[in-house]
Amino acid sequence: QAVVTQEPSVTVSPGGTVTLTCGSSTGAVTSGHYPYWFQQKPGQAPRTLIYDTSTKHSWTPARFSGSLLGGKAALTLSGAQPEDEAEYSCLLSYSSGWVFGGGTKLTVL
Amino acid sequence: QVQLVQSGAEVKKPGASVKVSCKASGYTFNSYYMHWVRQAPGQGLEWMGIINPSGDGTSYAQKFQGRVTLTRDTSTSTVYMELSSLRSDDTAVFYCVRDGFDFWGQGTLVTVSS
Repeated sequence: QAVVTQEPSVTVSPGGTVTLTCGSSTGAVTSGHYPYWFQQKPGQAPRTLIYDTSTKHSWTPARFSGSLLGGKAALTLSGAQPEDEAEYSCLLSYSSGWVFGGGTKLTVL
Repeated sequence: QVQLVQSGAEVKKPGASVKVSCKASGYTFNSYYMHWVRQAPGQGLEWMGIINPSGDGTSYAQKFQGRVTLTRDTSTSTVYMELSSLRSDDTAVFYCVRDGFDFWGQGTLVTVSS
């Protein structure tokens, strides 16, 4: 089974910009992996921010965006807010099923 | 509005099985596949498998093959996840998630302890 990798932890200053990445052990991440990005706060179920690489839900704050960058899926947060402190997980599709990354703990400090 | 309401917390002994339910409402049940996702305490998310509510077709993650069974009852718009041969490291919150990963159940904590 493929392994999906994310940075374990990242820190961003309030108002700053940060990019989280999501890589695949099988090679470059493409749009064919239909990358998803989720935000999860303690004690809550995950919430989908981005699907199909870069498409936002109606509830996704405009400061979040998704892309492909250097062979990985990427989630960019522009203008970080204190309420963005959370765990962010990516999800990729493979022929054998879906695989989550290990998650990135984002600290806004 | 779309809602996925899961059954309550369970405590099981090692070797036992657990069956978690997920009742869907607010949309056409047969129109969306349903995923199940596991999250152990302090750990990341794990995709377990998917079921087609209209045809009962299923697909499971290799890790859970042989131990997990997904079923559905179209008369009640409910999907079920049964996990057998429970071990202590199966202690986790289990989520049902509508395909598209747009709507999640509230999660069901399953504790495996002797």
